[in-house]
Amino acid sequence: SQQGEEDPQALSIQEGENATMNCSYKTSINNLQWYRQNSGRGLVHLILIRSNEREKHSGRLRVTLDTSKKSSSLLITASRAADTASYFCATGDTGRRALTFGSGTRLQVQP
Amino acid sequence: GAGVSQSPSNKVTEKGKDVELRCDPISGHTALYWYRQSLGQGLEFLIYFQGNSAPDKSGLPSDRFSAERTGGSVSTLTIQRTQQEDSAVYLCASSLDRRLFYEQYFGPGTRLTVT
Repeated sequence: SQQGEEDPQALSIQEGENATMNCSYKTSINNLQWYRQNSGRGLVHLILIRSNEREKHSGRLRVTLDTSKKSSSLLITASRAADTASYFCATGDTGRRALTFGSGTRLQVQP
Repeated sequence: GAGVSQSPSNKVTEKGKDVELRCDPISGHTALYWYRQSLGQGLEFLIYFQGNSAPDKSGLPSDRFSAERTGGSVSTLTIQRTQQEDSAVYLCASSLDRRLFYEQYFGPGTRLTVT
């Protein structure tokens, strides 16, 4: 089963609004990453936050990590229609050699 | 430079046939991963290669699935006696190094349809 679980499964907002997606996981992690996927094909890495970090920014993206709650959130500010995609969190832990992906949040930004 | 490439982009095969999917990672990337994604689902880890180490095959769903990586570069995922439940997008990713879980660079995927 997937370790990371995103919430909500689907999100529809208007252009200009902020979008917040959450991810929960179950085991201890080394880092947590967020990826974006367009049209069900290749994923693009967005941002990585290490287990000793609490917040990280990259452009319009803000990621937080709460290891005590085993959760992370991805905030996209001032959303654009081009942000429409599926967003996945992925956790890396020392017990596995590969990232564990969640089931994703489908974001729809209405122009 | 070139990203991760995969071929074919689409493959339709009859149930019971064997298929081979190819992945060309980014040059210099020592780690290579295969994932499977069913429609509307997350990614399911299949197999992982790191340099000359033995691959981690823990995610392969059955012995019909196998993969190899020749010369530390190109990888081929083989599915024997395909079943309809094998229909999915198969994604390959590479990363510079598995230490600290460097970001993974994904290919466009191969969409496999088993009829």
